[in-house]
Amino acid sequence: QVQLQESGPGLVKPSQTLSLTCTVSGDSISSGSYYWSWIRQPAGKGLEWIGRIYTSGSTNYNPSLKSRITISVDTSKNQFSLKLNSVTAADTAVYYCASTAVAGFVDYWGQGTLVTVSS
Amino acid sequence: SYVLTQPPSVSVAPGKTARITCGGNNIGSKSVHWYQQKPGQAPVLVIYHDSDRPSGIPERFSGSNSGNTATLTISRVEAGDEADYYCQVCDSSSDHPVFGGGTKLTVL
Repeated sequence: QVQLQESGPGLVKPSQTLSLTCTVSGDSISSGSYYWSWIRQPAGKGLEWIGRIYTSGSTNYNPSLKSRITISVDTSKNQFSLKLNSVTAADTAVYYCASTAVAGFVDYWGQGTLVTVSS
Repeated sequence: SYVLTQPPSVSVAPGKTARITCGGNNIGSKSVHWYQQKPGQAPVLVIYHDSDRPSGIPERFSGSNSGNTATLTISRVEAGDEADYYCQVCDSSSDHPVFGGGTKLTVL
């Protein structure tokens, strides 16, 4: 069973870059079985898909965030990462990393990490 | 982009059947997935590919999809089923996942 764990700062200043890392265990990130995804959820609101990366390095981003996002993978550490630049208070949310089956559904989720954008 | 519409809330008495809908243009042609999210927890996949259940999900959870509406049905509802439920598809035009706005299921 795949397990995922997010890590990174819980507080980011406006206009700066949010950086999160997801450590994967229980499967090799290079296995090709999954897309590796980031999803976020503002307090009291619904889920928003941010983007995903495949083992090959190919990425697919939410068009509404595309200009500010970079998702990368480090196969040597079995990790993948999210960078979101020029953040504002609207980017305050719980950020989840997840494994997405090629068939399109999210089958494993990290526990989520709250990132607050505030000065 | 593709839009999924869910009712904000559904209420049901224990032991009864809850039906949560997810509307979208010709959603019947897409594969719909459903997630359950309890307060303070990550979502959990409860139905995938319209009607398949992951291992460990009770048979009380079922799904259907036709026309412009997909439905998650929870039979013999229990207090522990109280949660937010989200539907999800892949938008074929942009090749990315899209979530519905979520439905809060209240067990009376």
